[in-house]
Amino acid sequence: NAGVTQTPKFRILKIGQSMTLQCAQDMNHNYMYWYRQDPGMGLKLIYYSVGAGITDKGEVPNGYNVSRSTTEYFPLRLELAAPSQTSVYFCASSYGGIGVWTEAFFGQGTRLTVV
Amino acid sequence: DAKTTQPPSMDCAEGRAANLPCNHSTISGNEYVYWYRQIHSQGPQYIIHGLKNNETNEMASLIITEDRKSSTLILPHATLRDTAVYYCIVSAGSNYKLTFGKGTLLTVNP
Repeated sequence: NAGVTQTPKFRILKIGQSMTLQCAQDMNHNYMYWYRQDPGMGLKLIYYSVGAGITDKGEVPNGYNVSRSTTEYFPLRLELAAPSQTSVYFCASSYGGIGVWTEAFFGQGTRLTVV
Repeated sequence: DAKTTQPPSMDCAEGRAANLPCNHSTISGNEYVYWYRQIHSQGPQYIIHGLKNNETNEMASLIITEDRKSSTLILPHATLRDTAVYYCIVSAGSNYKLTFGKGTLLTVNP
């Protein structure tokens, strides 16, 4: 079991460039999430998905897009990167909806710098 | 989700018990208390959760007061590897998400 795998681990983007952060889980979890964490702060939810084909916005969705065509993958797309998107991005998954006494498993993060 | 209040930092001697408090005075009856930790910018790691009874697992114990307005996470024998930011989170099943605050930085000293 690899758990939740994120790629790449590090990336530097120029302003205006686009990229896709990859996230894969091998636990057959229905629920998947994308968080960002700015220095010294807690995590903020960007988007989440309750199953293949279903996605919804979190607290800070602007500047991002997601898709969920399969259970395993939940990529996060950044369009027109801006310095404000410099952050560490974490993908997570859970068997049930968080809050229904189920734990979330997190990836190791993607450290993104926009210059 | 109910808000939580945690001290920004705490120290603990290696081998001693670490008791991390959390206030959640506006918690609703259907909201669980979760604890996660984050070691040096790694992905957060689940520790334990509970509704109203005290809980124990191989990592920690969770003590929830009878009125459920506060809780304490107990690491019975802290080690240097337990140095991390600990997040107390209150969440209900309808929200499908965890809201992370700034947590408590626990530093375990030799």
